[in-house]
Amino acid sequence: EPEVTQTPSHQVTQMGQEVILRCVPISNHLYFYWYRQILGQKVEFLVSFYNNEISEKSEIFDDQFSVERPDGSNFTLKIRSTKLEDSAMYFCASSQRPSGGHQETQYFGPGTRLLVL
Amino acid sequence: SQQGEEDPQALSIQEGENATMNCSYKTSINNLQWYRQNSGRGLVHLILIRSNEREKHSGRLRVTLDTSKKSSSLLITASRAADTASYFCATGGNQFYFGTGTSLTVIP
Repeated sequence: EPEVTQTPSHQVTQMGQEVILRCVPISNHLYFYWYRQILGQKVEFLVSFYNNEISEKSEIFDDQFSVERPDGSNFTLKIRSTKLEDSAMYFCASSQRPSGGHQETQYFGPGTRLLVL
Repeated sequence: SQQGEEDPQALSIQEGENATMNCSYKTSINNLQWYRQNSGRGLVHLILIRSNEREKHSGRLRVTLDTSKKSSSLLITASRAADTASYFCATGGNQFYFGTGTSLTVIP
């Protein structure tokens, strides 16, 4: 069964450094998402992406964050200058269609655990 | 906010028993989805129920939806130790809103 994959599984970085988290969505999906989950807290929406554009973003997704689909398969989340509070599990998800239509289920990757020191 | 909120926050049962988790949300929805998360792992989609459906089954899972009460329940029948995980409901469209989840422990 097709699945969303993410790399790396773990990343440790120094505060102020840039990190790029990578995701390979399910191949026939058109909508892509990033979420994060701080330890012990809720899964929070960051951003959704369709047709090479951000379609929605949350308050968390400030200027430090950016997303890109550099080629036909990868979807990346970049954090420009990491802060301690960026430490979290970051999940990528993809869906074939957005809500309201068929197959709007979002399928999640296994996550990247980011630790900022 | 459309956030789903699950209760109870934690549930501990013996293997073979049924587990029931509830979810409440605040605004009108097109569908509601349940996910499972094993400790430190990703979210696994379990089941989607649409706003015009009242009940849905998938294997040992039974989900109900009451849009008048803005609530849903997830029943896991004949639980197994492998069902130990956190369970979340999610509502929303382009962005999902997750609750804090119910932590289920199934004791062998």
